[in-house]
Amino acid sequence: GENVEQHPSTLSVQEGDSAVIKCTYSDSASNYFPWYKQELGKRPQLIIDIRSNVGEKKDQRIAVTLNKTAKHFSLHITETQPEDSAVYFCAASLRSNDYKLSFGAGTTVTVRA
Amino acid sequence: DTGVSQNPRHKITKRGQNVTFRCDPISEHNRLYWYRQTLGQGPEFLTYFQNEAQLEKSRLLSDRFSAERPKGSFSTLEIQRTEQGDSAMYLCASSLARPVGPYEQYFGPGTRLTVT
Repeated sequence: GENVEQHPSTLSVQEGDSAVIKCTYSDSASNYFPWYKQELGKRPQLIIDIRSNVGEKKDQRIAVTLNKTAKHFSLHITETQPEDSAVYFCAASLRSNDYKLSFGAGTTVTVRA
Repeated sequence: DTGVSQNPRHKITKRGQNVTFRCDPISEHNRLYWYRQTLGQGPEFLTYFQNEAQLEKSRLLSDRFSAERPKGSFSTLEIQRTEQGDSAMYLCASSLARPVGPYEQYFGPGTRLTVT
């Protein structure tokens, strides 16, 4: 099955700085890569996703890049704010099993005021 | 609230007891998923339904686990003879299946199970 690794496990940034989280995946047949944000005690929320026919996607302060050759994708948060503090999960699914998301272990992001 | 809902939100049970959780998906979503999340980890896929049909079960889902979606709307996840290792957050998600996937999955708030 698909194996997704996520780094770093924790990330502390000064408010206003950028945060970058990286994920690698094992199966080159993966074609869908969503990112979820989970605040303490709350549900995972889809914040952005990218499909394998696209190299980059941006939505206001967040962006995701995909490198299919290297099998890695990254989440970029610019101009971080205290409300960006949360656990972020990357995930991937295969073209043949598009219902099954394989998640990374998560990155705890802390934005220091 | 038009999102995915789950009940109960918390369940404490003694080892060996049976428990049942309910998930109500977003109303027009025909796909429903169950995941399990343990502390410090991402969600792990357990099973999914398209309408009322259960189409895949993870090997994580032992014989003590059973899931149903009898009318293609809400779903239940039952754990029989609970063990301490079953303690986790059980998350439900739903999505709308379109002719061409993949499909965005939207999660419920989860049911936190503690087995004592």
